[in-house]
This record gives sequence, structure tokens and C-alpha cells, in this order.
Amino acid sequence: ETGVTQSPTHLIKTRGQQVTLRCSSQSGHNTVSWYQQALGQGPQFIFQYYREEENGRGNFPPRFSGLQFPNYSSELNVNALELDDSALYLCASSADLTGNTIYFGEGSWLTVV
Amino acid sequence: GENVEQHPSTLSVQEGDSAVIKCTYSDSASNYFPWYKQELGKRPQLIIDIRSNVGEKKDQRIAVTLNKTAKHFSLHITETQPEDSAVYFCAASRVGGGGADGLTFGKGTHLIIQP
Repeated sequence: ETGVTQSPTHLIKTRGQQVTLRCSSQSGHNTVSWYQQALGQGPQFIFQYYREEENGRGNFPPRFSGLQFPNYSSELNVNALELDDSALYLCASSADLTGNTIYFGEGSWLTVV
Repeated sequence: GENVEQHPSTLSVQEGDSAVIKCTYSDSASNYFPWYKQELGKRPQLIIDIRSNVGEKKDQRIAVTLNKTAKHFSLHITETQPEDSAVYFCAASRVGGGGADGLTFGKGTHLIIQP
């Protein structure tokens, strides 16, 4: 157990819809990162949040957005869903911005039809 | 940005033999190199990591070696067991945890342990 919890575990959406995925970080962790893992691929970095601010972003379009709350939990929002957005979305938390190992939650499986 | 190449894509070894998975990276500023194991339908789990001030690190049957000059690092699993069967990912970043640029992952190696 990593202490990182994600919800929902599985969901199916229709192309063009919007989705919100949620993550509760491990107690005491103030940094949250989100990754997308398409089938048969390695995880790809979407963005990182630190103390409620986006701290860094990978090569993802603006329709991927996020929030971090005062309790350090986080949301990933994806607008205008495309078929290629079907993937496992992983959240990871760490105790600080740098120098700390990250551990992934169980992930949210998103299928876009 | 960073680019991580991982080989082989599939590796089949006899139970009890050793397995070696190799990765190369492009960013000479990378300093943190974790390895993750992912079983089917599960999350990636960290199995070992190494930082650039160390050339080798061991944890029981698992070891990782790093050659910063050549920009490559390898995972070694000795005395393989059936439960070692999984997909293994290497990753690299400038700082531990990925930092603002996140971790850059390889494409994965499917390790198959033959009984």
C-alpha cells in the first residue's frame, strides 16, 4: 500500500465528454504528479502540482487540466475526450518537490468510446 | 527533453537464470534512475532506484548499475522466479521524484520466466 488512493477505478465515457479523476495523496505529501499510461506503453508525465500550483507540465494539450486542494488532494480534468485518451491514469505523491521517491496509486482506467 | 530507450522489449529466461534489462538516456543532466515492475492490470511498483553519485545498488536478487559517461543503466535480476514475470520499466529524471519535468519512462520490457 502506498497511501495514494484514486477514484474512480474504472469508467467509460463518450467522445466529446468531460471527465474528472480524483487522487488523495499520502499523509504529509504536498506534491502530486499525474501520468497517463496507454496500453502497452510506459507512463507519460502530464503535470505536477505543489502547494496548489501547477509546477511543471509534460507534452499534453490544455484540455488536460488539474487542481490541488489545501489538503493536497488533487483532480485531473480532461475536456473534449478523444478516443486516444483511453488509458490508465496514475497519480503519485511525494513529500516535497525534489529528491523524494514517488509511489503510484492504483490508477483510474478510462475508456472513451 | 529527455529520451529513454529500453531493450529488449521481450525477454524470456529459464527459472533460476539471470535477466538483464538495459536502458539508455539522452539528458546528461539526469541524476535519478528508478525501475518499476508492473503486473497485468496493476499499478507500476518501484523495485529499486539509483542516483548518479552511486555506480551500483543491490537489494537481494535485484541490482542496478549506472554508467553516467555512457549514459546507460541496467537492471539485473538473479535466480529468477515465476513471480518475477511482469513488465519492467526504467525511467530517468534530473531530480528524485521527477520534479517539474516528471519521470521519463522507457517503453517497457516484458519479462517471461519459463518454468
